[in-house]
Amino acid sequence: QSVLTQPPSVSAAPGQKVTISCSGSNSNIGNNYVSWYQQLPGTAPKLLIYDNNKRPSGIPDRFSGSKSGTSATLAITGLQTGDEADYYCGTWDSSLSVVFGGGTKLTVL
Amino acid sequence: QVHLVQSGNEVKKPGASVKVSCKTSGYTFTSFAITWVRQAPGQGLEWMGWINNYNGYTNYAQKVQDRVTMTADTSTSTAYLELRSLRSDDTAVYYCARPSAAGTVDFDYWGQGTLVTVSS
Repeated sequence: QSVLTQPPSVSAAPGQKVTISCSGSNSNIGNNYVSWYQQLPGTAPKLLIYDNNKRPSGIPDRFSGSKSGTSATLAITGLQTGDEADYYCGTWDSSLSVVFGGGTKLTVL
Repeated sequence: QVHLVQSGNEVKKPGASVKVSCKTSGYTFTSFAITWVRQAPGQGLEWMGWINNYNGYTNYAQKVQDRVTMTADTSTSTAYLELRSLRSDDTAVYYCARPSAAGTVDFDYWGQGTLVTVSS
């Protein structure tokens, strides 16, 4: 059971928009920045979003993040088949540990 | 460029220990912590702990704190993860990761992963 709650799966058609939620508490998301990671099969996770809504260099602006209270959301617009992957949210917890969501599998129909 | 290169896959018997290395390059090793994350087959990411490579301070996940030791060799810019008393549910890919800035959880550099298989 992960500390952060994500939907197990989401799906949408190519070109559409999808959102992935990440729910936590005041001991983690509520008082810390949230990061999002994309993991393609057989590869290490890749940082997509940091500090709730910032993109590292090279990440297209189709990916965006937001946070409100104890929840965060990753949005992906203009879906492409190459976006099919697992997505994870992560943040600090009050115990100085890192917590991740259980992951969301994105299927592009 | 920043690189994190991990040691090769391991097969261990229950009760044994494993030590995974993460050799870094392209940055000042002591300026950033290294975090270890594992992923069991078909499962999500599980944080195991981190080590401050400047002073050796560690913080371990409660689930493994009695069996894990993270160390750093500043002379070779290499971080190590040792896990003892291995069980079948320790079978996972183990990743080392470095944050984009000190004190953050934005891990923008990752090792390639080391598969540890625990089987009798």
